[in-house]
Amino acid sequence: EVQLLESGGGLVQPGGSLRLSCAASGFTFSSYTMSWVRQAPGKGLEWVSAVTGRGDTTYYADSVEGRFSISRDNSKNTLHLQMNSLRAEDTAVYYCARGDDYNDLRPFDYWGQGTLLTVSS
Amino acid sequence: DIVMTQSPDSLAVSLGERATINCKSSQTVLHSSNNKNYLGWYQQKLGQPPKLLISWASTRESGVPDRFSGSGSGTDFTLTISSLQAEDVAVYYCQQYYRTPRSFGQGTKVEIK
Repeated sequence: EVQLLESGGGLVQPGGSLRLSCAASGFTFSSYTMSWVRQAPGKGLEWVSAVTGRGDTTYYADSVEGRFSISRDNSKNTLHLQMNSLRAEDTAVYYCARGDDYNDLRPFDYWGQGTLLTVSS
Repeated sequence: DIVMTQSPDSLAVSLGERATINCKSSQTVLHSSNNKNYLGWYQQKLGQPPKLLISWASTRESGVPDRFSGSGSGTDFTLTISSLQAEDVAVYYCQQYYRTPRSFGQGTKVEIK
């Protein structure tokens, strides 16, 4: 059974940093591009960042480019999102989601339960 | 970037009636070499993560009731719930996975009339 479990959310002051993690199980982690998708309170879904299976290529939304850094540890089946220079508008539930495999681009077929980041003084 | 626009933003439908949600992309998501539309539909119930309902514009995921169907090609797509059930109350999102950034529509809230 595919499982994704996020952790690391919490309350952070503006300008602060936080690192989110996502523990994956039930599939060959290194075979999939993994993404972070966020949802601000009462708002829609926003794709944030992605990293390819080997971890050699990363992608970012313009809203987080230069502040967030995505990485993965395939030996530990874990995905990370390092978030720096946090702003109030980064407040959201952050989901990790499984995406593309080596054969084709794919939708996000599995999602974690999410972890809440609140940026406030 | 591809912009996804859904309509309507919300709709209220009687139990057993049809619900139709439209999604329009600013660029085609049809890949000519394989004739596949890189368009998915998600259902998000209150307090839960999104759930993938339909991929490739019209392929239901395993376990998704057949009252859910997707159609369309290129830039115009539709999600239809043929006979609305109480458990279908949710927000529905379309998403293109053809280009990065992977963009979502703004969501359509479906309620019972």
